[in-house]
Amino acid sequence: DQQVKQNSPSLSVQEGRISILNCDYTNSMFDYFLWYKKYPAEGPTFLISISSIKDKNEDGRFTVFLNKSAKHLSLHIVPSQPGDSAVYFCAASPLTGANSKLTFGKGITLSVRP
Amino acid sequence: DAGITQSPRYKITETGRQVTLMCHQTWSHSYMFWYRQDLGHGLRLIYYSAAADITDKGEVPDGYVVSRSKTENFPLTLESATRSQTSVYFCASGIAGGPQYFGPGTRLTVL
Repeated sequence: DQQVKQNSPSLSVQEGRISILNCDYTNSMFDYFLWYKKYPAEGPTFLISISSIKDKNEDGRFTVFLNKSAKHLSLHIVPSQPGDSAVYFCAASPLTGANSKLTFGKGITLSVRP
Repeated sequence: DAGITQSPRYKITETGRQVTLMCHQTWSHSYMFWYRQDLGHGLRLIYYSAAADITDKGEVPDGYVVSRSKTENFPLTLESATRSQTSVYFCASGIAGGPQYFGPGTRLTVL
């Protein structure tokens, strides 16, 4: 049973426009959420995170929104740039508890067209 | 240089051979993790470690062995490699309640 779902495998947007990447989760114990970006032949890079006490966290062009009642989070990239083209993984963890294990979604491939 | 490194970056081996993938981090993070990435599955946790000499299974531990005698190292051993273990392996480290930071990965091919 997939606890973190990224239902759209790919997204294509025009340079300068907004990219919205979505993620849904099913486990009510999750209270810490992260987004990672991955280029081919490299390891995932941490982008931004949010804990369940917030509904929004912003870092430069990247904003993550959390809707706990819907068990949904989204990553907004504004404005999108060609260098943002990569695979984006959503991940979740129960912040309380000792093990800090992350559960990842399958990823979404973002293509930003010049 | 500070960070997390993996070796080798590429490895080809044969079915039945023992293979060890190395992971080293210089941040003194307490937690270390091993993941595999396969098409259609995203990143799946193999094993993790909360501290030296403390390890635990993740989602897909069968066929793998780990050890952590020192905080900075977390080797992953495939005791008898199988074709289904052909994958890209990522090591990561982090502190409790924080993000994990990933190494560059090891691409393993089992023939």
